[in-house]
Amino acid sequence: DQQVKQNSPSLSVQEGRISILNCDYTNSMFDYFLWYKKYPAEGPTFLISISSIKDKNEDGRFTVFLNKSAKHLSLHIVPSQPGDSAVYFCAASGVTGTASKLTFGTGTRLQVTL
Amino acid sequence: NAGVTQTPKFRVLKTGQSMTLLCAQDMNHEYMYWYRQDPGMGLRLIHYSVGEGTTAKGEVPDGYNVSRLKKQNFLLGLESAAPSQTSVYFCASSYYRGQKNEQFFGPGTRLTVL
Repeated sequence: DQQVKQNSPSLSVQEGRISILNCDYTNSMFDYFLWYKKYPAEGPTFLISISSIKDKNEDGRFTVFLNKSAKHLSLHIVPSQPGDSAVYFCAASGVTGTASKLTFGTGTRLQVTL
Repeated sequence: NAGVTQTPKFRVLKTGQSMTLLCAQDMNHEYMYWYRQDPGMGLRLIHYSVGEGTTAKGEVPDGYNVSRLKKQNFLLGLESAAPSQTSVYFCASSYYRGQKNEQFFGPGTRLTVL
């Protein structure tokens, strides 16, 4: 059962426009959410995160929005740049036992075109 | 400061062979993790460790064993490789600070089992 879902496997956006990547989760015990970016042949790198007590977090061109009632979060990239072309993973964290583990979505491949 | 490193980067095994993947981190992180990434499946947690000398099962532990004899190293073993274990393996580490669990990933090991 996929607890974190990214329903769009791919997204194509023109340079300079806004990219919106979406993520849904089912487990109400998740209390911290992260976005990772992954280039080919590299490991994922942390991009931005948000706590469940907030509904928005900004870092430069990247903004993450959290709608707890809908169990939905989104990543906005404005303006999109060609270097943003990568696979983006949404991840959710919740404490179980002695460890806080991450549950990842299946990823969305973003392509930013010129 | 190398971050998280993984050895080897690539490996081809025959069914039934054994091997060990090595992960090392120089950030003095308490937590370490092994994931596998398969097409359309995102990253799935195999095993993790909350400190030196400890290990625990993740989401897909069958067919794998791990050891954490030193804080900076986390080994993943395949005793009898199967074609279903063909995947890209990522190691990660984190310093758990309460709610936050920002994990740092290695570059990955691409394993093919024939």
